[in-house]
Amino acid sequence: DAKTTQPNSMESNEEEPVHLPCNHSTISGTDYIHWYRQLPSQGPEYVIHGLTSNVNNRMASLAIAEDRKSSTLILHRATLRDAAVYYCILSPTGPGRAGSYQLTFGKGTKLSVIP
Amino acid sequence: KAGVTQTPRYLIKTRGQQVTLSCSPISGHRSVSWYQQTPGQGLQFLFEYFSETQRNKGNFPGRFSGRQFSNSRSEMNVSTLELGDSALYLCASSLVPGDRSNQPQHFGDGTRLSIL
Repeated sequence: DAKTTQPNSMESNEEEPVHLPCNHSTISGTDYIHWYRQLPSQGPEYVIHGLTSNVNNRMASLAIAEDRKSSTLILHRATLRDAAVYYCILSPTGPGRAGSYQLTFGKGTKLSVIP
Repeated sequence: KAGVTQTPRYLIKTRGQQVTLSCSPISGHRSVSWYQQTPGQGLQFLFEYFSETQRNKGNFPGRFSGRQFSNSRSEMNVSTLELGDSALYLCASSLVPGDRSNQPQHFGDGTRLSIL
Protein backbone atom coordinates (compact mmCIF):
# COMPACT_ATOMS: atom_id res chain seq x y z
CA ASP A 1 0.00 0.00 0.00
CA ALA A 2 1.13 3.55 -0.72
CA LYS A 3 2.76 5.38 2.18
CA THR A 4 2.01 8.79 3.69
CA THR A 5 4.38 11.19 5.45
CA GLN A 6 3.21 13.59 8.16
CA PRO A 7 5.02 15.83 10.65
CA ASN A 8 5.30 14.24 14.08
CA SER A 9 3.76 17.18 15.89
CA MET A 10 2.24 20.63 15.40
CA GLU A 11 0.98 23.39 17.66
CA SER A 12 -1.82 25.86 17.14
CA ASN A 13 -3.38 28.65 19.12
CA GLU A 14 -7.00 28.28 20.03
CA GLU A 15 -9.46 29.83 17.55
CA GLU A 16 -6.84 30.05 14.81
CA PRO A 17 -6.89 27.96 11.60
CA VAL A 18 -4.73 24.85 11.43
CA HIS A 19 -3.24 23.33 8.29
CA LEU A 20 -2.10 19.73 8.69
CA PRO A 21 0.03 18.55 5.74
CA CYS A 22 0.36 15.06 4.32
CA ASN A 23 2.67 13.87 1.54
CA HIS A 24 1.76 10.81 -0.51
CA SER A 25 4.03 10.92 -3.54
CA THR A 26 3.37 7.27 -4.51
CA ILE A 27 -0.41 7.60 -4.54
CA SER A 28 -2.18 5.69 -7.30
CA GLY A 29 -5.02 7.01 -9.39
CA THR A 30 -7.68 5.08 -7.47
CA ASP A 31 -6.46 5.77 -3.92
CA TYR A 32 -8.81 7.80 -1.74
CA ILE A 33 -7.27 10.11 0.88
CA HIS A 34 -8.81 9.62 4.31
CA TRP A 35 -8.24 11.56 7.50
CA TYR A 36 -8.99 10.24 10.96
CA ARG A 37 -8.17 11.65 14.37
CA GLN A 38 -7.79 10.04 17.74
CA LEU A 39 -8.50 11.91 20.94
CA PRO A 40 -6.93 10.69 24.17
CA SER A 41 -8.56 7.52 25.53
CA GLN A 42 -10.85 7.17 22.51
CA GLY A 43 -10.94 5.22 19.29
CA PRO A 44 -10.11 6.92 15.98
CA GLU A 45 -12.78 9.22 14.59
CA TYR A 46 -13.44 9.72 10.89
CA VAL A 47 -12.84 13.32 9.80
CA ILE A 48 -13.04 13.58 6.02
CA HIS A 49 -12.01 11.87 2.78
CA GLY A 50 -11.65 12.72 -0.90
CA LEU A 51 -10.32 11.54 -4.25
CA THR A 52 -9.44 14.52 -6.45
CA SER A 53 -11.53 17.54 -5.59
CA ASN A 54 -11.38 19.60 -2.42
CA VAL A 55 -13.95 18.51 0.14
CA ASN A 56 -15.72 20.29 2.97
CA ASN A 57 -17.79 19.00 5.85
CA ARG A 58 -18.88 20.26 9.24
CA MET A 59 -15.61 19.19 10.85
CA ALA A 60 -12.95 20.26 8.38
CA SER A 61 -11.85 20.90 4.81
CA LEU A 62 -9.58 18.74 2.70
CA ALA A 63 -7.41 20.41 0.07
CA ILE A 64 -5.89 18.02 -2.46
CA ALA A 65 -2.99 19.09 -4.67
CA GLU A 66 -3.58 18.99 -8.40
CA ASP A 67 -1.03 16.16 -8.84
CA ARG A 68 -2.53 14.41 -5.77
CA LYS A 69 0.92 13.90 -4.27
CA SER A 70 0.01 15.90 -1.18
CA SER A 71 -3.04 17.04 0.74
CA THR A 72 -3.84 19.36 3.62
CA LEU A 73 -6.44 18.98 6.33
CA ILE A 74 -7.77 22.37 7.38
CA LEU A 75 -9.42 23.01 10.73
CA HIS A 76 -10.91 26.48 10.36
CA ARG A 77 -10.92 27.44 14.05
CA ALA A 78 -8.99 25.18 16.41
CA THR A 79 -10.60 24.41 19.74
CA LEU A 80 -9.16 22.59 22.74
CA ARG A 81 -11.27 19.60 21.72
CA ASP A 82 -9.29 19.37 18.45
CA ALA A 83 -6.12 18.34 20.32
CA ALA A 84 -5.56 14.84 18.98
CA VAL A 85 -3.39 12.66 16.76
CA TYR A 86 -4.38 13.14 13.11
CA TYR A 87 -3.84 10.31 10.65
CA CYS A 88 -3.67 10.68 6.88
CA ILE A 89 -4.39 7.32 5.20
CA LEU A 90 -4.60 6.16 1.61
CA SER A 91 -7.39 3.69 0.93
CA PRO A 92 -7.08 1.74 -2.31
CA THR A 93 -10.03 0.56 -4.33
CA GLY A 94 -10.56 -1.23 -7.59
CA PRO A 95 -10.33 -4.84 -8.79
CA GLY A 96 -8.98 -7.28 -6.27
CA ARG A 97 -10.24 -5.39 -3.26
CA ALA A 98 -13.66 -7.03 -3.22
CA GLY A 99 -14.98 -7.59 0.26
CA SER A 100 -11.87 -6.24 1.90
CA TYR A 101 -11.42 -3.04 3.85
CA GLN A 102 -8.16 -2.38 5.68
CA LEU A 103 -6.78 0.91 6.96
CA THR A 104 -3.00 1.21 7.34
CA PHE A 105 -2.23 3.78 10.03
CA GLY A 106 1.10 5.58 10.25
CA LYS A 107 2.26 7.51 13.32
CA GLY A 108 0.18 10.58 12.49
CA THR A 109 0.58 14.20 13.61
CA LYS A 110 0.03 15.07 17.24
CA LEU A 111 -1.77 18.41 17.32
CA SER A 112 -1.53 20.51 20.47
CA VAL A 113 -3.90 23.45 20.91
CA ILE A 114 -2.75 26.30 23.11
CA PRO A 115 -5.44 28.22 25.01
CA LYS B 1 -27.89 6.65 16.53
CA ALA B 2 -25.81 4.35 18.73
CA GLY B 3 -22.14 4.05 17.86
CA VAL B 4 -19.89 1.01 17.87
CA THR B 5 -20.01 -0.69 21.25
CA GLN B 6 -17.14 -2.73 22.61
CA THR B 7 -17.23 -4.81 25.77
CA PRO B 8 -15.64 -5.00 28.20
CA ARG B 9 -13.81 -1.66 28.36
CA TYR B 10 -11.04 -3.00 30.57
CA LEU B 11 -9.75 -6.51 31.16
CA ILE B 12 -6.89 -7.99 33.14
CA LYS B 13 -5.63 -11.49 32.37
CA THR B 14 -2.56 -13.57 33.12
CA ARG B 15 -0.17 -15.23 30.73
CA GLY B 16 -1.47 -18.44 29.19
CA GLN B 17 -5.14 -17.57 29.59
CA GLN B 18 -7.46 -16.84 26.71
CA VAL B 19 -9.80 -13.90 26.21
CA THR B 20 -12.86 -13.03 24.13
CA LEU B 21 -13.73 -9.45 23.22
CA SER B 22 -17.07 -8.35 21.82
CA CYS B 23 -18.09 -5.72 19.29
CA SER B 24 -21.56 -4.52 18.29
CA PRO B 25 -21.45 -2.49 15.08
CA ILE B 26 -23.61 0.48 14.18
CA SER B 27 -27.07 -0.67 13.15
CA GLY B 28 -27.06 -1.50 9.44
CA HIS B 29 -23.29 -1.85 9.19
CA ARG B 30 -22.23 -5.29 8.02
CA SER B 31 -18.47 -4.96 7.82
CA VAL B 32 -16.49 -5.23 11.06
CA SER B 33 -12.73 -4.79 11.36
CA TRP B 34 -10.44 -5.28 14.35
CA TYR B 35 -7.24 -3.39 15.13
CA GLN B 36 -4.57 -3.62 17.83
CA GLN B 37 -2.98 -0.45 19.18
CA THR B 38 0.25 -0.46 21.21
CA PRO B 39 2.67 2.39 22.01
CA GLY B 40 5.45 0.70 20.06
CA GLN B 41 3.65 -0.54 16.94
CA GLY B 42 0.79 1.92 16.71
CA LEU B 43 -2.50 0.86 15.12
CA GLN B 44 -2.28 -2.45 13.29
CA PHE B 45 -4.99 -4.24 11.32
CA LEU B 46 -6.00 -7.66 12.66
CA PHE B 47 -8.85 -8.86 10.44
CA GLU B 48 -12.10 -7.91 8.74
CA TYR B 49 -15.40 -9.74 8.62
CA PHE B 50 -18.32 -9.28 6.26
CA SER B 51 -21.36 -11.53 5.98
CA GLU B 52 -19.91 -13.85 8.62
CA THR B 53 -16.79 -14.45 6.50
CA GLN B 54 -13.25 -13.31 7.17
CA ARG B 55 -12.33 -11.19 4.15
CA ASN B 56 -8.88 -9.98 5.08
CA LYS B 57 -6.27 -10.77 7.72
CA GLY B 58 -3.29 -8.86 9.03
CA ASN B 59 0.10 -10.22 10.02
CA PHE B 60 -0.74 -11.71 13.39
CA PRO B 61 -0.20 -15.26 14.73
CA GLY B 62 -2.95 -17.85 14.68
CA ARG B 63 -3.60 -17.24 18.39
CA PHE B 64 -5.67 -14.29 17.22
CA SER B 65 -9.00 -15.29 15.74
CA GLY B 66 -12.43 -13.86 15.25
CA ARG B 67 -15.90 -14.51 14.05
CA GLN B 68 -19.01 -12.64 13.00
CA PHE B 69 -22.58 -13.56 13.72
CA SER B 70 -25.65 -13.25 11.49
CA ASN B 71 -26.61 -9.98 13.23
CA SER B 72 -23.15 -8.57 12.29
CA ARG B 73 -21.93 -8.59 15.89
CA SER B 74 -18.35 -9.79 16.10
CA GLU B 75 -16.02 -11.36 18.64
CA MET B 76 -12.28 -11.74 18.66
CA ASN B 77 -10.41 -14.33 20.66
CA VAL B 78 -6.81 -14.46 21.77
CA SER B 79 -5.52 -17.76 23.12
CA THR B 80 -2.43 -18.48 25.18
CA LEU B 81 -1.99 -14.85 26.13
CA GLU B 82 1.50 -13.33 26.16
CA LEU B 83 2.75 -10.18 27.87
CA GLY B 84 3.09 -8.55 24.44
CA ASP B 85 -0.64 -8.89 23.84
CA SER B 86 -1.26 -6.04 26.26
CA ALA B 87 -2.88 -3.42 24.06
CA LEU B 88 -5.97 -1.46 23.18
CA TYR B 89 -8.15 -3.55 20.86
CA LEU B 90 -10.36 -1.51 18.58
CA CYS B 91 -13.34 -2.53 16.53
CA ALA B 92 -14.62 -0.56 13.54
CA SER B 93 -17.72 -0.96 11.42
CA SER B 94 -18.72 0.29 8.00
CA LEU B 95 -21.62 0.00 5.61
CA VAL B 96 -21.90 -2.81 3.10
CA PRO B 97 -18.75 -2.51 1.02
CA GLY B 98 -19.55 -1.44 -2.49
CA ASP B 99 -17.06 1.23 -3.33
CA ARG B 100 -15.20 0.44 -0.17
CA SER B 101 -12.84 3.37 -0.27
CA ASN B 102 -15.78 5.70 -0.16
CA GLN B 103 -17.03 4.29 3.11
CA PRO B 104 -15.56 5.67 6.33
CA GLN B 105 -14.99 3.33 9.22
CA HIS B 106 -16.55 4.07 12.59
CA PHE B 107 -14.54 3.01 15.61
CA GLY B 108 -15.51 2.04 19.11
CA ASP B 109 -13.50 3.23 22.11
CA GLY B 110 -11.80 -0.14 22.47
CA THR B 111 -11.07 -2.76 25.08
CA ARG B 112 -7.93 -2.15 27.13
CA LEU B 113 -6.36 -5.57 27.74
CA SER B 114 -3.60 -5.91 30.31
CA ILE B 115 -1.62 -9.12 30.70
CA LEU B 116 0.09 -9.79 34.03
